[in-house]
Amino acid sequence: QVQLQESGPGLVKPSETLSLTCTVSGGSISGYYWSWIRQPPGKGLEWIGYIFYSGSTHYKPSLKNRVTISGDMSKNRFSLKLSSATAADTAVYYCARTIAVAGTFAFDFWGQGTLVTVSA
Amino acid sequence: SFDLTQPPSVSVSPGQTASIACSGDVLGAKYASWYQHKPGQSPVLVIYQNYRRPSGIPERFSGSHSGNTATLTISGTQAMDEADYYCQAWDSTSTVLFGGGTKLTVL
Repeated sequence: QVQLQESGPGLVKPSETLSLTCTVSGGSISGYYWSWIRQPPGKGLEWIGYIFYSGSTHYKPSLKNRVTISGDMSKNRFSLKLSSATAADTAVYYCARTIAVAGTFAFDFWGQGTLVTVSA
Repeated sequence: SFDLTQPPSVSVSPGQTASIACSGDVLGAKYASWYQHKPGQSPVLVIYQNYRRPSGIPERFSGSHSGNTATLTISGTQAMDEADYYCQAWDSTSTVLFGGGTKLTVL
């Protein structure tokens, strides 16, 4: 059973960079896409972006200028950096395994989520 | 606003059938997936590729698709099915879209 675990600071100051890491266990990173998704308090799910195990990435257009997703595939982990954080970036952040086959793009395994608050 | 539109809320009596629709232009060409999200837990994939159920998802969860609308149906709804449900697809630029979510209440 694949398991994902997010880690990183729970509090980030405004204008600083939000950084999180997702560690994958119980399976290999190879062959899959890996995504970051967030949920602001009281709001719905928002996809941030993904990285393919080969290293290629794709980001939500409205976040593209601030987001970097990178991977350390040898250590079965990938990371999120979101620069110039504001209060609007306060959310529960999830990492998720992403299946992409035959026109389907879906998230089949999720981490437990980690709350990141942007505040001075 | 969202590129995938869902009703904010749906109510159903225990044992009855609940249906949640998701509409959007992208669904005319792309498959829909559905997630169940309970408070304090991670979302769970319940339907992908419009109608396929992942291993471990009860048979009472089913999906369908017609034109620009995908529908999640829960037959014989149970109290444990009370949750937020999100549809999801991706567009021609490989950007992932989520619907705004539907709160299912089992009365």
